[in-house]
Amino acid sequence: GNSVTQMEGPVTLSEEAFLTINCTYTATGYPSLFWYVQYPGEGLQLLLKATKADDKGSNKGFEATYRKETTSFHLEKGSVQVSDSAVYFCALSTYDYKLSFGAGTTVTVRA
Amino acid sequence: DAGITQSPRYKITETGRQVTLMCHQTWSHSYMFWYRQDLGHGLRLIYYSAAADITDKGEVPDGYVVSRSKTENFPLTLESATRSQTSVYFCASVASSTDTQYFGPGTRLTVL
Repeated sequence: GNSVTQMEGPVTLSEEAFLTINCTYTATGYPSLFWYVQYPGEGLQLLLKATKADDKGSNKGFEATYRKETTSFHLEKGSVQVSDSAVYFCALSTYDYKLSFGAGTTVTVRA
Repeated sequence: DAGITQSPRYKITETGRQVTLMCHQTWSHSYMFWYRQDLGHGLRLIYYSAAADITDKGEVPDGYVVSRSKTENFPLTLESATRSQTSVYFCASVASSTDTQYFGPGTRLTVL
């Protein structure tokens, strides 16, 4: 079956620090990969996605590259801001658009 | 307003009672989903629907019932609530052209 493993948090950083959240997956077929973000008290929002190997998704300074050889989709941002404090979820889908999520990583950025 | 809405946003109920969580989307998306969010588990799929009158089980369907008589609505019913169903419930729909799921704001359910 499909599964997603992402690094456990919580992660606490200072403003302008480099952020990386590791995500690896197991899937049958050729999944699409996603990062979703959840701000306090809100639903999930799509942050970025990649649909095939070697694709790079990017949005709001965040990037992740679909690595088929290592079955990974690590999220990175070069300089975080306080407003990036949120819970980040790695996810995949294979068919029928059903998403399988990782457990989520809570990120707190201090001024 | 366009988008996806859920009601109620907060609900407290007692063990054994029936509870229905509502979900409404204005985009006419074909696919809709119900997830529950629990600490340490991320989100887990309860049920999904590919179109009106077509529904299927997800990862954790036990204790839940869904229906979809209209494209825009996808209610989730807990027929006899248990404490283990205390959770935050998210509804979502997907724009098939972009493979992107849009989530509602969630319903926080507490079962006493």
